[in-house]
Amino acid sequence: QKEVEQDPGPLSVPEGAIVSLNCTYSNSAFQYFMWYRQYSRKGPELLMYTYSSGNKEDGRFTAQVDKSSKYISLFIRDSQPSDSATYLCAMHQTGANNLFFGTGTRLTVIP
Amino acid sequence: DGGITQSPKYLFRKEGQNVTLSCEQNLNHDAMYWYRQDPGQGLRLIYYSQIVNDFQKGDIAEGYSVSREKKESFPLTVTSAQKNPTAFYLCASRRRDRETEAFFGQGTRLTVV
Repeated sequence: QKEVEQDPGPLSVPEGAIVSLNCTYSNSAFQYFMWYRQYSRKGPELLMYTYSSGNKEDGRFTAQVDKSSKYISLFIRDSQPSDSATYLCAMHQTGANNLFFGTGTRLTVIP
Repeated sequence: DGGITQSPKYLFRKEGQNVTLSCEQNLNHDAMYWYRQDPGQGLRLIYYSQIVNDFQKGDIAEGYSVSREKKESFPLTVTSAQKNPTAFYLCASRRRDRETEAFFGQGTRLTVV
């Protein structure tokens, strides 16, 4: 079993839709959770960073962590064509050297 | 502006050649990482370094080498021993003294010709 599982998609939605992106993980020691957005042929750009359980909101983006279910989500409200990209989840535990990444979900927002 | 700079953006390698990818950061980060990204496989860790003059192998280190002579720089050499080097290579860095997020460079696309 992989440390982090992420549905690769692809996911296509109409402009204005609410998008839900998800990852599950197996290591209960993970405490730090990140979402990255990656445009084609570019490096990943950090979107959201959360610690432990709960929600964090930043504009149209909301990150949610449910440690009891080992499940994290990224919600995008009022999706825009410019949100079309691959979204990667990442996580790590205290004192660890490495980040563990999902494989990424490719999202297309259709005008 | 602080950030991570990778160069070149595109690199072509002939069979049997060694090539070196550059990664420089001015964020004053201690930890630096090299990842390889292939379609459908996510990011896989090649090497990482927590401090100057020290580095550790990641999950797929075979055929690669690194050095960390300066805090700002973490070059990656793809040697001729790497059998399938065509990929997108990403460098990242983060602070080591507290738990923080990692920041990435813009990547180098390496193609074997």
